[in-house]
Amino acid sequence: AQTVTQSQPEMSVQEAETVTLSCTYDTSESNYYLFWYKQPPSRQMILVIRQEAYKQQNATENRFSVNFQKAAKSFSLKISDSQLGDTAMYFCAFMKQGAQKLVFGQGTRLTINP
Amino acid sequence: GAVVSQHPSRVICKSGTSVKIECRSLDFQATTMFWYRQFPKQSLMLMATSNEGSKATYEQGVEKDKFLINHASLTLSTLTVTSAHPEDSSFYICSASDRDGQPQHFGDGTRLSIL
Repeated sequence: AQTVTQSQPEMSVQEAETVTLSCTYDTSESNYYLFWYKQPPSRQMILVIRQEAYKQQNATENRFSVNFQKAAKSFSLKISDSQLGDTAMYFCAFMKQGAQKLVFGQGTRLTINP
Repeated sequence: GAVVSQHPSRVICKSGTSVKIECRSLDFQATTMFWYRQFPKQSLMLMATSNEGSKATYEQGVEKDKFLINHASLTLSTLTVTSAHPEDSSFYICSASDRDGQPQHFGDGTRLSIL
């Protein structure tokens, strides 16, 4: 079975700073997908970024980028020029190829301070 | 983009009542939908996988007689919490995707409070 671990329960940075959220996972699969979801206080789940394991290039989406290290089974999220609206719970998630089921990490609560 | 609608957003009812929550995919067909439960400050806990036209697959420890799931069409899944009690109070979220490997799209969730 796959597991996803987020070792940082809470993080806090100042507005405009860069912050990195860590995520590690355990799987015997060779092909899979990784996601970061954001859950603001409204509790809506919002997709931040998606990475396909067979792609070596790290995914980027505006101020959000990942550092995908397949051998180390690591998938960290970097948020550049952080904004107050980035304050949220962030969940790392794993999906094996051929499936639609997500396995979530425990989440990291990120606070951006003015 | 793909949209999933979940209703109601908030329910307050008395103990012993059954409550139905609907999850609709508005602009795509979803053969599979998922139902999660989320306790405060915790991650999403998968309760069951809802399959169109067949029985739902429940995760270990989830009572299938307590949480009835029906997926009658390619755009609608319902979760019914039967004879709800205060311990069933929680935040319930549904999700769906249109094909394997694609991100799940989530409903806005239902906050259920049983008095």
